[in-house]
This record gives sequence, C-alpha cells and structure tokens, in this order.
Amino acid sequence: RKEVEQDPGPFNVPEGATVAFNCTYSNSASQSFFWYRQDCRKEPKLLMSVYSSGNEDGRFTAQLNRASQYISLLIRDSKLSDSATYLCVSSTSGTYKYIFGTGTRLKVLA
Amino acid sequence: DGGITQSPKYLFRKEGQNVTLSCEQNLNHDAMYWYRQDPGQGLRLIYYSQIVNDFQKGDIAEGYSVSREKKESFPLTVTSAQKNPTAFYLCASSMWGTYNEQFFGPGTRLTVL
Repeated sequence: RKEVEQDPGPFNVPEGATVAFNCTYSNSASQSFFWYRQDCRKEPKLLMSVYSSGNEDGRFTAQLNRASQYISLLIRDSKLSDSATYLCVSSTSGTYKYIFGTGTRLKVLA
Repeated sequence: DGGITQSPKYLFRKEGQNVTLSCEQNLNHDAMYWYRQDPGQGLRLIYYSQIVNDFQKGDIAEGYSVSREKKESFPLTVTSAQKNPTAFYLCASSMWGTYNEQFFGPGTRLTVL
C-alpha cells in the first residue's frame, strides 16, 4: 500500500461546479500536509498547507481528518484555469521525508 | 525576486556520459532536495541536504551524486551508472523541519539518446 494515495482521475467538471478530492495517508505519525498544484510539464506549486483541522483560502478549502487519516481539497466555483494535477503531500516531524501522492487530474470544462 | 532556479531547462545526453544539473536558491533556506518525476508516478527523493557540506541519500540515490559547498547551491550529477535517467528532475528547498513548505524550481527535463 502506498503511503499517500490519491484517485488519479481525471475529474471532468463544468465551469462553476464544486469538486472535492480526497487523499489518504497510512502513517499515523504524519503531522503536516500540503496540497500542491502541478500544471503539465511544470513544477509543483504550493496551494495550501494543512496543519490542524483545516485551512481555507478563497475558493479552496482543505480539511484534515486524523481519525480516518485523510485530507480533502474542495474547490468551489471551478474556473477553466483550475485545470491541473493536484498533489497531496504528507510529512512527519523529525524526518526529512515529504511523501507525495501521484496526483489527481482535474479538467474544468467550458 | 526570491526563488529557485534550475538549469538547463532541457538536457540531452548520450549513453555513458555524466551530466550535471544546476540548482540555486536565494530564499536563505537551510534544506535542499532533489526529486525525480516519471510519468504517472509521484515525486521520488534522490538526495537531500540539511546544511552546507552535508547531504543524505534519499530513496533512489543509486547512479546520482551531489555536493553542497554553498548554502545557495545543490548541483546534481547524473552518472553513467544510472540505468534509466530519462526523467523530469525537480530541485526544492525549505527551511529545515517538515512542517515547513517546500518550494520547487522549474525543473530540468533530461533525455538520454
């Protein structure tokens, strides 16, 4: 089992829709979580950090459920420019490791 | 502008050649990392460095080497011993401590001919 798992998608949604992705992690010692956005053939760019129960930034909301060991990313009012791959990352205090999921592809359709 | 730069953007190598990928950051970050990304796979850690003159192997270090002579610089050499080097190479940096976000350079796409 992978340490961080994501549904690869693609999620095809119309403009204006709300879409949610889940990411599960297997290491209960994981303490910090991040969502990155990666466009095709580009580097990952930090979207949000999730340290406690959740975080909100405009149309984006991330939530953390430690009991069930998953984090989610909610995108409201999807824009065409939101089309990208979204990477879930976990890290554990005291280690060097950031564990990356393989990403979830989102396509927002006009 | 603060950030991470990588060069070159594209690199072509003949089999049997060593090549060096450059990574420079002016964010005053302590830690620097090298990852490899293959299609359909997550990022895999090659090497990381917490401090100048110190670095550690990651999960897939075989066939790669690094140096950290300056805080700002962390070059990666892909040696001829790396069996399948064609990939997208990403350099990242962060303040030390995995509660800190990593920031990535634009990447180098290496193709072995």
